[in-house]
Amino acid sequence: EVQLVESGGGLVQPGRSLRLSCAASGFTFGDYAMHWVRQAPGKGLEWVSGISWNSGAIAYADSVKGRFTISRDNAKNSLYLQMYRLRAEDTALYYCAKDKFDDFLYGMDVWGQGTTVTVSS
Amino acid sequence: QSALTQPASVSGSPGQSITISCTGTSSDVGGYNYVSWYQQRPGKAPKLLIYEVSNRPSGISNRFSGSKSGNTASLTISGLQTDDEADYYCTSYTSSATLLFGGGTHLTVL
Repeated sequence: EVQLVESGGGLVQPGRSLRLSCAASGFTFGDYAMHWVRQAPGKGLEWVSGISWNSGAIAYADSVKGRFTISRDNAKNSLYLQMYRLRAEDTALYYCAKDKFDDFLYGMDVWGQGTTVTVSS
Repeated sequence: QSALTQPASVSGSPGQSITISCTGTSSDVGGYNYVSWYQQRPGKAPKLLIYEVSNRPSGISNRFSGSKSGNTASLTISGLQTDDEADYYCTSYTSSATLLFGGGTHLTVL
């Protein structure tokens, strides 16, 4: 079964850091681009970051650029999102998603169930 | 970057067809054929319906179709079913090499 399982969310104070992880199974992880997408409570979806199959292409939404770092370890079938200098507006459910192909252009065809990040003092 | 523009809500009756628009600019929707559409039911993860403007993943009903004209992409759902009631989102690749979501459209099946 193709599956993505996120972890690492929690309650964190403004200005602190947090690292999210996404464990992939059921497909050849290293062949596909991956994404992080978030959804604030009661709001729409927001693309956060994408990484190509070999980490050769990486991009971020303006809202997180310079504060978040996406990475992947194909040997461990894992995707990560390191988040620094967190703000209240980063509070959201964070989804890990697989792209249909090797670059993050095409469409996200597999999604995890998400991990919740709450930034509050 | 501002979100792509979608109507906040649309509605239709069972059996009817509806179309949801997704308007951007020549720097995103109009400039690339990398528009995708997602369905999200309450409390669930999004589901890919359409990729590359008009392609359906395997397992997606042919009642769902996508198209694009200029800076506006569209999702059409034909033969509406009560089960189609959900939120729908478009995304597009942009000239900044990022992805941009639309604000989302809630579909009510009356």
